[in-house]
Amino acid sequence: DAGVIQSPRHEVTEMGQEVTLRCKPISGHNSLFWYRQTMMRGLELLIYFNNNVPIDDSGMPEDRFSAKMPNASFSTLKIQPSEPRDSAVYFCASRDPGIRSYNEQFFGPGTRLTVL
Amino acid sequence: AQSVTQLDSQVPVFEEAPVELRCNYSSSVSVYLFWYVQYPNQGLQLLLKYLSGSTLVKGINGFEAEFNKSQTSFHLRKPSVHISDTAEYFCAVTNTGTASKLTFGTGTRLQVTL
Repeated sequence: DAGVIQSPRHEVTEMGQEVTLRCKPISGHNSLFWYRQTMMRGLELLIYFNNNVPIDDSGMPEDRFSAKMPNASFSTLKIQPSEPRDSAVYFCASRDPGIRSYNEQFFGPGTRLTVL
Repeated sequence: AQSVTQLDSQVPVFEEAPVELRCNYSSSVSVYLFWYVQYPNQGLQLLLKYLSGSTLVKGINGFEAEFNKSQTSFHLRKPSVHISDTAEYFCAVTNTGTASKLTFGTGTRLQVTL
């Protein structure tokens, strides 16, 4: 299995530009999570989906952030417009729906975003 | 609501010395507990997990953790660390219901030196 795939791995953009991060969960997993990691705030859960439906988006910092999951094998996290304080590593994770998954999450390698 | 406390933000240790990374959790329901490791510039990967049964859990790379329900702790240990163990370690908790999210601690940076 290829694991959780994220693209791009690195993104450098200028303030005000739109940024789109992409995630492909492990095949068969029905839950997908977006996290943000910074030195100041650590690892934060932004939003998660079950069966392509957003369940909890209370961690999304503001309206500039939006996430979609149009199908079971693809999700995007969009920031528009981006700001320097959005600079962070963004992780995607997925989870098997089976009861024996015990809620374990599998993480992708992350996208390092730098907003200048 | 659940919470996880990792009191030590950094733990420096010499190679071949033993190490313990502390984790305490708070929950009003039954839980599963996890330790994840994050090597530099990588994502998080599972080190070990406690589901039920034996309170001593063995994981990858020689790590083990002990679940203590009365002290609500899940400390991670290794008897002899290696330089390659230098990483960030995260403790996480989830309730035993399905489709529950993980609550992570703030992480402990283990720095192993010669």
